[in-house]
Amino acid sequence: SAVISQKPSRDICQRGTSLTIQCQVDSQVTMMFWYRQQPGQSLTLIATANQGSEATYESGFVIDKFPISRPNLTFSTLTVSNMSPEDSSIYLCSVVIQGGNTEAFFGQGTRLTVV
Amino acid sequence: GESVGLHLPTLSVQEGDNSIINCAYSNSASDYFIWYKQESGKGPQFIIDIRSNMDKRQGQRVTVLLNKTVKHLSLQIAATQPGDSAVYFCAERTGANSKLTFGKGITLSVRP
Repeated sequence: SAVISQKPSRDICQRGTSLTIQCQVDSQVTMMFWYRQQPGQSLTLIATANQGSEATYESGFVIDKFPISRPNLTFSTLTVSNMSPEDSSIYLCSVVIQGGNTEAFFGQGTRLTVV
Repeated sequence: GESVGLHLPTLSVQEGDNSIINCAYSNSASDYFIWYKQESGKGPQFIIDIRSNMDKRQGQRVTVLLNKTVKHLSLQIAATQPGDSAVYFCAERTGANSKLTFGKGITLSVRP
């Protein structure tokens, strides 16, 4: 398994501002992903964070709105830019362990409220 | 696009009874399936997985059944306990290291 730490765990932000969420894993991982979970809904993949190259975004998500960094095999950040109330959601980091089973492990999530 | 979905949004069961949570998937190329449990305020927690070359897999108090003919996945929880109350998601993947696609989720409520 992997221990995933996400920071912050929650935040309340003003519209128009940006928030950067950090994801730290205690072991090297093959894949890192960022998901969004809107209230009462399922998880939607935002992007795959690629080490050393630009993230791969899913349909409906763009780099200008959700810039992602992954400088090494254990760390990634997701920024929610120019926030609006519609961005209020839980944002989750997920990893697949290198050489392990292929299930994905999740952080505890960042609960974001935009006012 | 192809999707994974669940039949029922909520399920209420009596403590001690068995629970069955169903999931339909539409991508015939999916080769790996996972059930997750999500408690309030937490991230999804892995429960059990199954590969497409299997039709049944058992864990501790949980069993996953896969019917590829009708593209159906189910999670059976034996002797349901109050601690099983949570939202359950099925997820599917096509190929190693590919992304997971999640179903809509179902809330399991256990009555004392």
